[in-house]
Amino acid sequence: EAGVAQSPRYKIIEKRQSVAFWCNPISGHATLYWYQQILGQGPKLLIQFQNNGVVDDSQLPKDRFSAERLKGVDSTLKIQPAKLEDSAVYLCASSLTDVAYEQYFGPGTRLTVT
Amino acid sequence: KQEVTQIPAALSVPEGENLVLNCSFTDSAIYNLQWFRQDPGKGLTSLLLIQSSQREQTSGRLNASLDKSSGRSTLYIAASQPGDSATYLCAVSSNDMRFGAGTRLTVKP
Repeated sequence: EAGVAQSPRYKIIEKRQSVAFWCNPISGHATLYWYQQILGQGPKLLIQFQNNGVVDDSQLPKDRFSAERLKGVDSTLKIQPAKLEDSAVYLCASSLTDVAYEQYFGPGTRLTVT
Repeated sequence: KQEVTQIPAALSVPEGENLVLNCSFTDSAIYNLQWFRQDPGKGLTSLLLIQSSQREQTSGRLNASLDKSSGRSTLYIAASQPGDSATYLCAVSSNDMRFGAGTRLTVKP
């Protein structure tokens, strides 16, 4: 079975610019997660979708970050405007239903904000 | 709020040694605990998943244990190889998934 796909793999932007990341989860997985991983730290959950509804976005900086999962399949995460501290790897994961099930991760998008 | 701690932060061992990585968590009300491997610049690869009702899981040279009451898990790697060099992360699922900061393992030939 195909894994979680993410694009782009790398992105370099200047501060105050905008950027978008795309994720396609494993087919049939209802739950999709976006994580932010800053260098030297573990991933931190930004937002969790169940189908096309938001389950948890408590740690999403909503003044600059937004995410959507139209049609309950693939998802986009946007940052506008970017700050230097947004430099991180953005990981997408999916699971069959909720957090009680194993999560599968994509390769991530490495964002550098200069 | 669940907090996950991994000790040590870094570990260097000669090839062939058996080793143990530690993970502790503060809230024992969990669904499961996962151990992941992360190579530099790559995503996370799931190694073992232990459900809350289980005590351990094994896959090849890897064995993970879970003691929910004490809030601890260990990942045992037998006969370590240079290819095992990576960062190992544990993650606990309760209301959401919380990760430790990882243990960076180096196995020297």
